[in-house]
Amino acid sequence: NAGVTQTPKFQVLKTGQSMTLQCAQDMNHNSMYWYRQDPGMGLRLIYYSASEGTTDKGEVPNGYNVSRLNKREFSLRLESAAPSQTSVYFCASSGQWPYFGPGTRLTVT
Amino acid sequence: DAKTTQPPSMDCAEGRAANLPCNHSTISGNEYVYWYRQIHSQGPQYIIHGLKNNETNEMASLIITEDRKSSTLILPHATLRDTAVYYCIVRVSNDYKLSFGAGTTVTVRA
Repeated sequence: NAGVTQTPKFQVLKTGQSMTLQCAQDMNHNSMYWYRQDPGMGLRLIYYSASEGTTDKGEVPNGYNVSRLNKREFSLRLESAAPSQTSVYFCASSGQWPYFGPGTRLTVT
Repeated sequence: DAKTTQPPSMDCAEGRAANLPCNHSTISGNEYVYWYRQIHSQGPQYIIHGLKNNETNEMASLIITEDRKSSTLILPHATLRDTAVYYCIVRVSNDYKLSFGAGTTVTVRA
């Protein structure tokens, strides 16, 4: 039982490049989330998916797209990366309470 | 979701109990109090949650006042590995949103 896994762990992008952050959970949870955490700040919700086939915007969705590929997987895509998107990205899935993945540390230069 | 207020930081001596306060004066009747912690930029880790009764598990105890406007997380015997940022969050159970504030930075000193 791996819980919530995220790939990659680290990534460096140049401004304007695109990439997809992958997240998978093996706990059969319906709800999944993407958060970002900037240095010294709390987590902010980017997008969430209450169930397979549905997605909704959170607090800071601009510059991101998501795909709930199936019940297990929820990906986050940056179409044209900007330095302001330098952050640590956490995926979570929720049963009785949310479980978080280890994070992806993204730097955009 | 109701907002929460926590002190920005606190110190604790190793081996002593750490009592972390949280105010949530606008909490609704169907909102639970959740506690998470984050150790050095790892993913947040669930600690405990409760509605109105006091709760205890292997990690901590949660004391919720009778009017539910505040709560205290108790780490009974703090260790150096408990140094972390602790977040108090109120949330409707099974709601998909979990709003994090700034939390309390707890430093356990030898």
